[in-house]
Amino acid sequence: QKEVEQNSGPLSVPEGAIASLNCTYSDRGSQSFFWYRQYSGKSPELIMSIYSNGDKEDGRFTAQLNKASQYVSLLIRDSQPSDSATYLCAVAGGDYGQNFVFGPGTRLSVLP
Amino acid sequence: EAGVTQSPTHLIKTRGQQATLRCSPISGHTSVYWYQQALGLGLQFLLWYDEGEERNRGNFPPRFSGRQFPNYSSELNVNALELEDSALYLCASSFRGQPYNEQFFGPGTRLTVL
Repeated sequence: QKEVEQNSGPLSVPEGAIASLNCTYSDRGSQSFFWYRQYSGKSPELIMSIYSNGDKEDGRFTAQLNKASQYVSLLIRDSQPSDSATYLCAVAGGDYGQNFVFGPGTRLSVLP
Repeated sequence: EAGVTQSPTHLIKTRGQQATLRCSPISGHTSVYWYQQALGLGLQFLLWYDEGEERNRGNFPPRFSGRQFPNYSSELNVNALELEDSALYLCASSFRGQPYNEQFFGPGTRLTVL
């Protein structure tokens, strides 16, 4: 059973702080890793993809991947109240990366 | 570029009825995935279609079925509806040929079973 775990929430941070979201996965053959943001009642929105060990930065978001530790994280700098949402970690494997497994999500609240 | 579209937005059925949900992928995408998200729960993988064929299914009973049409759109059918089928049903599309298979989601269909 391929599993993806995320730190249990809710996670509350003050506006302007760094929010750190963590994810671990069980399948060592996983090839690609994604972070989705889901606002309440809405569908998930892809915000970051990462495939190689190390850091990947996009604006206020930084994804970090460590395949040896089977760990992927998302840092949100200068957190804004509009970042308040549930963040889903997804891990993909298979010949075409088609076998997606989603984590349960971490709910983030950014307090003004 | 148009995103993934789903219809209807909301669907209300009664127990025992059948529901049909539809999805149109992003132009150029050949894979369609269906997920169920019950209230307050995570995404549960239902079905994966690619090039018109069912490639994989999740741990759901056979009354959950679907198909993919030649234009890559897809429909999900749920027979003999049960109360616990009430959920947000999400469709995602991707292009299998791309290296990392990013999935993009539609807005979802909220199914309520009374």
